[in-house]
Amino acid sequence: GIQVEQSPPDLILQEGANSTLRCNFSDSVNNLQWFHQNPWGQLINLFYIPSGTKQNGRLSATTVATERYSLLYISSSQTTDSGVYFCAGRVETSGSRLTFGEGTQLTVNP
Amino acid sequence: DSGVTQTPKHLITATGQRVTLRCSPRSGDLSVYWYQQSLDQGLQFLIQYYNGEERAKGNILERFSAQQFPDLHSELNLSSLELGDSALYFCASSFLAAKSYNEQFFGPGTRLTVL
Repeated sequence: GIQVEQSPPDLILQEGANSTLRCNFSDSVNNLQWFHQNPWGQLINLFYIPSGTKQNGRLSATTVATERYSLLYISSSQTTDSGVYFCAGRVETSGSRLTFGEGTQLTVNP
Repeated sequence: DSGVTQTPKHLITATGQRVTLRCSPRSGDLSVYWYQQSLDQGLQFLIQYYNGEERAKGNILERFSAQQFPDLHSELNLSSLELGDSALYFCASSFLAAKSYNEQFFGPGTRLTVL
């Protein structure tokens, strides 16, 4: 199966700072999703982005499928952005299953 | 709210017991997926059903089984529970099984604690 590598593993920010999270894949992916797992454990869909760039408020994401990586940008971070950010991808040979990275633990301090 | 529901939210049981986790997919979604999130293994795919039929299997133990019913809800059965089965179990759903667009939406999870 594919390997998904996320960096950095941990990130501590002051409120208002910007950050970039990275996700590298060992193989080409068809589907790519970013999730935020909040302190209560819920997995919240942020982006479905197999390629290109999308923006949603203070968050944006870019996937460069040919180079097998995706970036998640968080601008003007808030304490409510704290939690774990996961990327997950699907390859054609593995059916529909998503393979997750190990996540980036983000802490935003007031 | 993703539209995927899971019950119960929390489950505490003893080793050797059997439990059933339930999932209702988003309205209109035909595929249901089960994932396990444990501290040592991260988030891992267990099994997928599409319109009532098993479609794919991942790292699912033989003690675990699942099914999808005609109304498309799904149940994950865990038997002969061990301490290591303690984890957060997620259900996800999507409209299609394996097409170009296949965004998966996750339920709130069931936190299983085996004592």
